[in-house]
Amino acid sequence: DGGITQSPKYLFRKEGQNVTLSCEQNLNHDAMYWYRQDPGQGLRLIYYSQIVNDFQKGDIAEGYSVSREKKESFPLTVTSAQKNPTAFYLCASLDGYTGELFFGEGSRLTVL
Amino acid sequence: AQSVTQPDIHITVSEGASLELRCNYSYGATPYLFWYVQSPGQGLQLLLKYFSGDTLVQGIKGFEAEFKRSQSSFNLRKPSVHWSDAAEYFCAVGGSGGSNYKLTFGKGTLLTVNP
Repeated sequence: DGGITQSPKYLFRKEGQNVTLSCEQNLNHDAMYWYRQDPGQGLRLIYYSQIVNDFQKGDIAEGYSVSREKKESFPLTVTSAQKNPTAFYLCASLDGYTGELFFGEGSRLTVL
Repeated sequence: AQSVTQPDIHITVSEGASLELRCNYSYGATPYLFWYVQSPGQGLQLLLKYFSGDTLVQGIKGFEAEFKRSQSSFNLRKPSVHWSDAAEYFCAVGGSGGSNYKLTFGKGTLLTVNP
């Protein structure tokens, strides 16, 4: 079945450590996105990528980094510079014909 | 800059009652408008979308929404709510921005359904 796979679903990290969240899609979509979700805050855009080897900062990019070496993959690294990294992270890809975003199941990161 | 406001943080309705969730947007041109639903700990699922044409759009699970340009609104409605509709609902706005396409989401409305 086509879709978006995020891993891990749950992740615990000590302060000062970097962590990478995986996002893989087999929908053949060009554009991919990372959102952060906090209670009562909705979804806030971290980074997005329209094509391979290109990406743009979203509204809250500080403390995060991404890469887009393959069309299918868009990993997000939460660096030690992110001051409040505990959150639910959602990856999505865009169907360019319908304008619909397809979401993964999310990754919950907890910093201890 | 585009933005979305969902005025109701939390709504409680009885099963079988009608439902309306409010959404107001700000966008400089003709918007693309969406409603998504999220169950706890899950990703988001598209309920319906508006791009152009008929201002009343039908979606999945018996939901509909009406685009009102004069009021900058895109309210979600359902005539009779089921217990399984309990979830969080997000309104989103985007536009025909070509290579810079991105959606902006509201903060969500949590729906509780009483038996």
